[in-house]
Amino acid sequence: EAGVAQSPRYKIIEKRQSVAFWCNPISGHATLYWYQQILGQGPKLLIQFQNNGVVDDSQLPKDRFSAERLKGVDSTLKIQPAKLEDSAVYLCASSPQGANTGELFFGEGSRLTVL
Amino acid sequence: AQSVTQPDIHITVSEGASLELRCNYSYGATPYLFWYVQSPGQGLQLLLKYFSGDTLVQGIKGFEAEFKRSQSSFNLRKPSVHWSDAAEYFCAVGPTGNTGKLIFGQGTTLQVKP
Repeated sequence: EAGVAQSPRYKIIEKRQSVAFWCNPISGHATLYWYQQILGQGPKLLIQFQNNGVVDDSQLPKDRFSAERLKGVDSTLKIQPAKLEDSAVYLCASSPQGANTGELFFGEGSRLTVL
Repeated sequence: AQSVTQPDIHITVSEGASLELRCNYSYGATPYLFWYVQSPGQGLQLLLKYFSGDTLVQGIKGFEAEFKRSQSSFNLRKPSVHWSDAAEYFCAVGPTGNTGKLIFGQGTTLQVKP
């Protein structure tokens, strides 16, 4: 079974530029999450989708971050304009719908460096 | 405020020695509790979880954890560490209604000496 796919793995940009990250969850998983992991910290939830609807985006900095999951499968997270403090690893995770098992399946992450 | 504290940022143990990683949480209600492991260059993987019932839970790779409500703790243990256990370990809590909305601790990096 293929895992959660993310791209790109690494991205270096200058502040005020824009960047987009892509995630393809495990086939059949209805719930998709984007987490931000800053160096030395644990991951923090940015946004949670159930199919193509947003369940929780309370911690998403909406002035610069946006995310979509138009067809209920893959998702894109965009940052525009980027700030230095956005340097982090962006983790995508998925879980089966209705399976309140607590197990999230994480991708390898996309590491962003903002100069 | 809801939070998870992992007091040890970095731990070094010898291969074959026992291991205990500490985790304390602050949460309004009884949360669901998890331990995830992150090996270099890989995504986080669930080691074990506690929802209810027996307070000693078994996980993968020989790990176990004990939930102590009176101490608000959920410490991870392993009787004999292997070199392949070197990784970063994260404790997390989540609401019973949405186990994807996890609050993670800052992580403990485990180094294993030969």
